[in-house]
This record gives sequence, C-alpha cells and structure tokens, in this order.
Amino acid sequence: EAQVTQNPRYLITVTGKKLTVTCSQNMNHEYMSWYRQDPGLGLRQIYYSMNVEVTDKGDVPEGYKVSRKEKRNFPLILESPSPNQTSLYFCASSPGTGRGGDTEAFFGQGTRLTVV
Amino acid sequence: AQTVTQSQPEMSVQEAETVTLSCTYDTSESDYYLFWYKQPPSRQMILVIRQEAYKQQNATENRFSVNFQKAAKSFSLKISDSQLGDAAMYFCAYRTPFYYNQGGKLIFGQGTELSVKP
Repeated sequence: EAQVTQNPRYLITVTGKKLTVTCSQNMNHEYMSWYRQDPGLGLRQIYYSMNVEVTDKGDVPEGYKVSRKEKRNFPLILESPSPNQTSLYFCASSPGTGRGGDTEAFFGQGTRLTVV
Repeated sequence: AQTVTQSQPEMSVQEAETVTLSCTYDTSESDYYLFWYKQPPSRQMILVIRQEAYKQQNATENRFSVNFQKAAKSFSLKISDSQLGDAAMYFCAYRTPFYYNQGGKLIFGQGTELSVKP
C-alpha cells in the first residue's frame, strides 16, 4: 500500500530534550516536506527536500532540523524543543515532477507533539 | 508572497443540502495549482479535489465541485447532497510548480470547520 508513515503519532516531552520524528514514504517520491498545524493558522511549511541531500527552509524553520540521506526517509529533528513547538506535525511527499497528478501531496497520519 | 484566505471559520449544513465553502488567494503567478483537503477528526489529510490554473473548466469529483474564478482569484468548494461523513475541517491550498524557485510549497488557508446536521 502506497503511504507516508510518521512516528510517533503522539509525543509528550520536556523542554530541551532532543527528539526526532521519523517520516518514511514507499512511493519513490522526490519531494518531501514537513508542516506544522496550529489553530487558526492552517498548515505552514517547516522544511522541504527536492531530492536526496537537497533540503531548504520553509516558512517556519527556526528550532528545527532535517536530513535527507535516503530518498524514502525525511526525519524532523528538534534539538532543543520549547513549548512554542507544541503543535500537530505532518510529513508529506509528492512525485515532484510537475503538472497534473504529480503535484498531489500525500500526507502522513500526523504527530501530536506536546512540549512541557 | 502568495497567501490563501478562508473567511469562514465555521459552516453548518443540513444533511442532503448543498453548502459552499469560500477561498480566495493572492498571487502574481499564472501557473499554479489549487486544492481542497478534508481533515476529519482522525487528523488524516485527504485530498478532495484539485484544479490546475491553466484549465478553465471547473473540476468535479462526484458530489464535490469547485467554482474557479482565476481573474477574481477565487476557488470555492461546493458540496452537494451533504452527508454526515462530510463533517470535517476543510483546507484550501495553493501550490506553485516544482520548477519555480522554492516551488512545490503548499500554502494553506486557515481552514473551515464544517458540521452536518441530521
């Protein structure tokens, strides 16, 4: 089954304790990205990757890191989480080749992160 | 910078009736894509419908259709014969082609919470 898998789905952590949210897709997609969802703000892009070893900042990158060592994996790293990073996080992937169906984004199930 | 605005935080519709969700966007580009995503309580993001800006014909998917007004930069979603399972948060989203500088980013509206009354 074609899917994007995020783990964990729920996470409660303390301020300053490093954490990683994993994301993996099995569709051989080139483009992957991370979004955070906050009430009244919709989803905002954190980081994205056009291909292996190619990553770039989105609109709200502060406090986050990513890596793309393999095509299928795109982990999100919070080196020193703070309470303002409490949010719902989504990983998404797309074929990334341009028009029509290639522009559709496939989303993971979401990760609810609480930083206390 | 592109922006997407959904001015209706909440909407309500009677089962079997029709409802229209509004979305406007701002861009100076001519080539882009527009989407409506549904987010039920499970939090999963589900693609409802897609529209390519270069296509004048409005997209339809079963009970879901859009009214795409490119000049007015408006992209509304019409849900016909509403069902209880349509209750969800709906997001309008804009996407530039991947070959654009920083292309491929999805820009979302604030969301509209739709409730369906039996």
